[in-house]
Amino acid sequence: VQLEESGGGLVQRGGSLKLSCAASGFTFSGSAIHWVRQASGKGLEWVGRIKNKANSYATAYTASVRGRFTISRDDSKNTAFLQMNSLKTEDTAVYYCTRLPNSCSGGRCYFDYWGHGTLVTVAS
Amino acid sequence: DIQMTQSPSSLSASVGDRVTITCQASQDIKYYLNWYQRQPGKAPKVLIYDASNLETGVPSRFSGSGSGTYFTFTISSLQPEDIATYYCQQYDDLPLTFGGGTKVEIK
Repeated sequence: VQLEESGGGLVQRGGSLKLSCAASGFTFSGSAIHWVRQASGKGLEWVGRIKNKANSYATAYTASVRGRFTISRDDSKNTAFLQMNSLKTEDTAVYYCTRLPNSCSGGRCYFDYWGHGTLVTVAS
Repeated sequence: DIQMTQSPSSLSASVGDRVTITCQASQDIKYYLNWYQRQPGKAPKVLIYDASNLETGVPSRFSGSGSGTYFTFTISSLQPEDIATYYCQQYDDLPLTFGGGTKVEIK
């Protein structure tokens, strides 16, 4: 199983960036993909997720990015995306994609595979 | 949002010591809590899921307990390879939230 993020870089405040998460080694279309970020010296922060087609590609976001970030996926390419608009300096972080089951109602629901992350730096 | 208060934020202990980390949720999360280990330069790795279940392949010196709002994570005998930052994470409700992390060092 592999997840590989790309697309990070330096962007000006108010700018946009689109991250990609390329997956292999598992049934991508069956998994929910989540984005988690970590600012330097800070802890882990959940950003949002997209479920699979069977769950209507349902998305959810943390409040601080809702309306600015959009998660999407292309199952034909085993890739998920994080479109980030109206970037703020506080969005500076390493962004990771990871996976969870689509439903956690039965327990045993944890992030089992992670990418190595891609750094996003928002300059003021 | 469910707030996860983890303590301590850091600790220093000797090899062989028993180490305990606590995580308190701002509301009842039943047993929907996981513990991760984050070693420098590596992705987080789940050690305990559903509050007290040891993930396959994880050494038995790691354990977890609790339910509702109060949870503990224990390393029964600290080893040099346990140097890492540990995080609790709830999945009872969105947004998924993590504790602030506990950095474990060897004295």
